[in-house]
Amino acid sequence: TQLLEQSPQFLSIQEGENLTVYCNSSSVFSSLQWYRQEPGEGPVLLVTVVTGGEVKKLKRLTFQFGDARKDSSLHITAAQPGDTGLYLCAGGNQGGKLIFGQGTELSVKP
Amino acid sequence: GAVVSQHPSWVICKSGTSVKIECRSLDFQATTMFWYRQFPKQSLMLMATSNEGSKATYEQGVEKDKFLINHASLTLSTLTVTSAHPEDSSFYICSARDWGVRREQYFGPGTRLTVT
Repeated sequence: TQLLEQSPQFLSIQEGENLTVYCNSSSVFSSLQWYRQEPGEGPVLLVTVVTGGEVKKLKRLTFQFGDARKDSSLHITAAQPGDTGLYLCAGGNQGGKLIFGQGTELSVKP
Repeated sequence: GAVVSQHPSWVICKSGTSVKIECRSLDFQATTMFWYRQFPKQSLMLMATSNEGSKATYEQGVEKDKFLINHASLTLSTLTVTSAHPEDSSFYICSARDWGVRREQYFGPGTRLTVT
């Protein structure tokens, strides 16, 4: 059974601080997605990484896929209150099935 | 990005009744759709994989007779919660896989089910 361990599960920081969220697994994934979810809504895709060692940037967000394609990180620089939400990582396999991490509830206080 | 809709967005039903939730891919064809369940402050739990024209594949621990899935067309999958009980109350989310150019999985807005 493929599992994704996401940490931390809760994070409360002040505006302007940096943060990193981690997703780790003992399994290899064909792709790794990061989503953001607002309360009462479905997850919205932020990025997909597919190549080991790949780094993608989305404004203040930096996503990295581990060389062995077993882990990933999301780094947010100078967090803003608008970044508040639930961040989810999900590992994909060839069949298209996604395995989700536990999620990180981020709260950025002004 | 691609659009996936769900209907209804919320529903309240009485114990013992059945509820049908629809998931539609609006601008692409989805041979594969997925159904998830999410409890408050928790992550998404995959319930089943819905394949157009064939039987759904259920994850371990998910009762297939209770959660009936039908994927009759390339743009529509339905989840029917049969003989609903209060413990079935949850946020149900579907996603649709675009196997075309984009090759991404897109999520619907979710359906809040409350069983009284």
